[in-house]
Amino acid sequence: EVQLVESGGGLVQPGGSLRLSCAASGFTVSSNYMSWVRQAPGKGLEWVSVIYSGGSTYYADSVKGRFTISRDNSKNTLYLQMNSLRAEDTAVYYCARTYDFWSGYWFDPWGQGTLVTVSS
Amino acid sequence: SSELTQDPAVSVALGQTVRITCQGDSLRSYYASWYQQKPGQAPVLVIYGKNNRPSGIPDRFSGSSSGNTASLTITGAQAEDEADYYCNSRDSSGNLVVFGGGTKLTVL
Repeated sequence: EVQLVESGGGLVQPGGSLRLSCAASGFTVSSNYMSWVRQAPGKGLEWVSVIYSGGSTYYADSVKGRFTISRDNSKNTLYLQMNSLRAEDTAVYYCARTYDFWSGYWFDPWGQGTLVTVSS
Repeated sequence: SSELTQDPAVSVALGQTVRITCQGDSLRSYYASWYQQKPGQAPVLVIYGKNNRPSGIPDRFSGSSSGNTASLTITGAQAEDEADYYCNSRDSSGNLVVFGGGTKLTVL
């Protein structure tokens, strides 16, 4: 069964750092595109970052220079290192396997999410 | 602000057909994908590509596209279809990804 399980969320002060993890089972992270998508409380979905199977990475303008996406092939795990956190980064963070074809761009499946709260 | 625009809320009578739309310039070049999200749950992919349903998604869900508008149609809406629906696609530059603001579907 294909499954994604996020962890690492919590309460952090503004300016602080946090690393999220996303453990995958049923497929190989390094052979797929993988993304992070977030959702602020009561708000819509916002794409954060993607890492391609070849290792290329891309970021939303809102997190560029502060967040870093990476993976550990030996652990079949995706990460999101978040630095210089701001109140507006407060959200549930989801990881998702990502598909990018000429026919579109989609996410399936999604993990259950992990909540990051940035507050003093 | 999102480059994909959705109506904030739509309602449909039980058993009737409802169309949820998503507008944006990037949709002239890329198909939209659609997700269903129920309260407290992660999003679930319901439509991708031209009009493809993942395994387990009922065939009452379908997708279409015309010009800068993509549509998700639910034919014979059920009570369990009440949820938030989001579209996504590449942005108009083709380099990044955008989501619509979401549509809250109420089944009456």
